[in-house]
Amino acid sequence: GIQVEQSPPDLILQEGANSTLRCNFSDSVNNLQWFHQNPWGQLINLFYIPSGTKQNGRLSATTVATERYSLLYISSSQTTDSGVYFCAVRGRGANNLFFGTGTRLTVIP
Amino acid sequence: DTAVSQTPKYLVTQMGNDKSIKCEQNLGHDTMYWYKQDSKKFLKIMFSYNNKELIINETVPNRFSPKSPDKAHLNLHINSLELGDSAVYFCASSHPMGGGPISSYNEQFFGPGTRLTVL
Repeated sequence: GIQVEQSPPDLILQEGANSTLRCNFSDSVNNLQWFHQNPWGQLINLFYIPSGTKQNGRLSATTVATERYSLLYISSSQTTDSGVYFCAVRGRGANNLFFGTGTRLTVIP
Repeated sequence: DTAVSQTPKYLVTQMGNDKSIKCEQNLGHDTMYWYKQDSKKFLKIMFSYNNKELIINETVPNRFSPKSPDKAHLNLHINSLELGDSAVYFCASSHPMGGGPISSYNEQFFGPGTRLTVL
């Protein structure tokens, strides 16, 4: 399967700070999704972004498919942004998602 | 109006028992999945069903048997539970692989998870 690497593995921010999370993948993909796993364990869909740029409030994401990476930007972070952020991809010919190991974000007041 | 639901949310049981986890989706999707999240938070596919037919079966012990009575339901039955089965199990659904009417056609949506603890 496709290898998915996320960085950094851990991130601690002061409330109000901005951050960039990175996802590198090893092969061409048909699907790339960003998820937020909140402290209660729920996987929340943030973006479906196999290519291009999308924005949703304080969050935005960019995927450069030809260079096999995606970035998730969080601006003006809030304590409720804490949790683990996962990047997941689906390769051509595959049906399931391959997940990265996640970035654990802690936002302190 | 829950999209993907799972029951139970928590399951605590003894080694050797048999248990089932149920999943239902009301999104009209044809494809459903089971993923396992281990203690290190790593998520990995276990099974995928498309319109009630198994299309992926990763290296999962045959003690795990998925059953899809219809395309809105995908249940997971586990026989002879072992300590190493303790994990969070997530159900997900999507439209099948391939093109679709909108760009996000293949987006996967996840249920709330079932935390299984084997004692």
